[in-house]
Order: sequence, then C-alpha cells, then structure tokens
Amino acid sequence: GAVVSQHPSRVICKSGTSVKIECRSLDFQATTMFWYRQFPKQSLMLMATSNEGSKATYEQGVEKDKFLINHASLTLSTLTVTSAHPEDSSFYICRADPTTEGYGYTFGSGTRLTVV
Amino acid sequence: SQQGEEDPQALSIQEGENATMNCSYKTSINNLQWYRQNSGRGLVHLILIRSNEREKHSGRLRVTLDTSKKSSSLLITASRAADTASYFCATDGSNQGGKLIFGQGTELSVKP
Repeated sequence: GAVVSQHPSRVICKSGTSVKIECRSLDFQATTMFWYRQFPKQSLMLMATSNEGSKATYEQGVEKDKFLINHASLTLSTLTVTSAHPEDSSFYICRADPTTEGYGYTFGSGTRLTVV
Repeated sequence: SQQGEEDPQALSIQEGENATMNCSYKTSINNLQWYRQNSGRGLVHLILIRSNEREKHSGRLRVTLDTSKKSSSLLITASRAADTASYFCATDGSNQGGKLIFGQGTELSVKP
C-alpha cells in the first residue's frame, strides 16, 4: 500500500529558530501534498496545498512567509517553520495522494513541534 | 468556517454499548471519510463513503450519508475500551482540488 513518511516525529526547538519537517512518499509519486496543523484538543486545519514544481497555495490566515513549503520533487515536500514561537507549538501532519487509482488518502504520522 | 460540525463533541459510554457520532458539512462533496485519532497520534482511516452511496459497513462500523441534509453518521456497535479515541469526519469537496476538510471531532470514551 501507499506509505507516507514524515520526519521528525517530535522536535523541540528554541524560540526564534527554524524547523524543517519532511513529508516523503515512499512508494508512489505525488504531484500534490497537503499540510495540516492541529492544536491540542482541536481538529486538523488545512494550512496549505503543496504543488510539485510550483508555489504552494496557502489557506486564509496562514502566513506564507512563516510557513515555507517546498515541493521540489514528486516524492518530497518540506514545511519550514521560520522564526518559531511558542504559539507555533502544534502537531503538523502531511498528506499525499497517489496518482494511481485505487489508492486512497494517505497521511504521514505527524510531527509534534514544541517551541520553548 | 473551514470546518464542518460534529456532534456530540464528547461522548462517554460503557463497553458493549453503541456509539453514534454525527457530522454535518456545508459544500457538495465527492466523498466523506471518517478517521480515528488516538491521543497524540496520527490518523487512522476508518471508512470512505462516496456521494452516491447512502450506507456503508466495515466490521463494527456503519456509516450513513444523506447528501440532501449534508450530514453523515458513524455508528460503532458493541464498543470496546480500545475504541476510546477522537473521531473526525472529513469531506473531499467537489471542485476543491482534493482538499480534505475536517470536522471538529467527537471525543469518545468507552469505559470498561
């Protein structure tokens, strides 16, 4: 089946630093990937749609200069949280959908970011 | 709001009882999905129901979809303590470029 690997699973960083999260499709190609954020006790909120070879599309209210998305290949999208602050502490999860019919929606296992 | 509504927000039942969760959404959809999430963990895909389907079963799960009311329900029969988790519905809207929009979730607690 389709597998999406997300790394790291947990990261603690100091306020003001940047953190990069990787989302990799292991056995399929994905022209589109999606990034979600989930605060404690809340639902998943779509942050942006990552398109291979072009700029990401951000949802309303999401700062594109703070959350940099790079989808440089058909198997890798990265989310960089720049100048992280404690309020950026959250669970970040990516999703990639195989272009081959028959496979469904595939999520990474998520990244728990804690900014101290 | 980006999200749909789910009710109840929290549900506490005894093992063996049935649990019903409801989801309402706002736009026309290609399909609706249900996911489970254990505390602090990733998502587990439970079931997908297409817009032209009205009911679907998978093991102890039963999902219904009423597109005229823009609503869905998830029934878990004969619940177990291991079913304790948060449950989310998510819609893949028509002409939305594959975006999956999640409901607010129901926190289910099954007491042994």
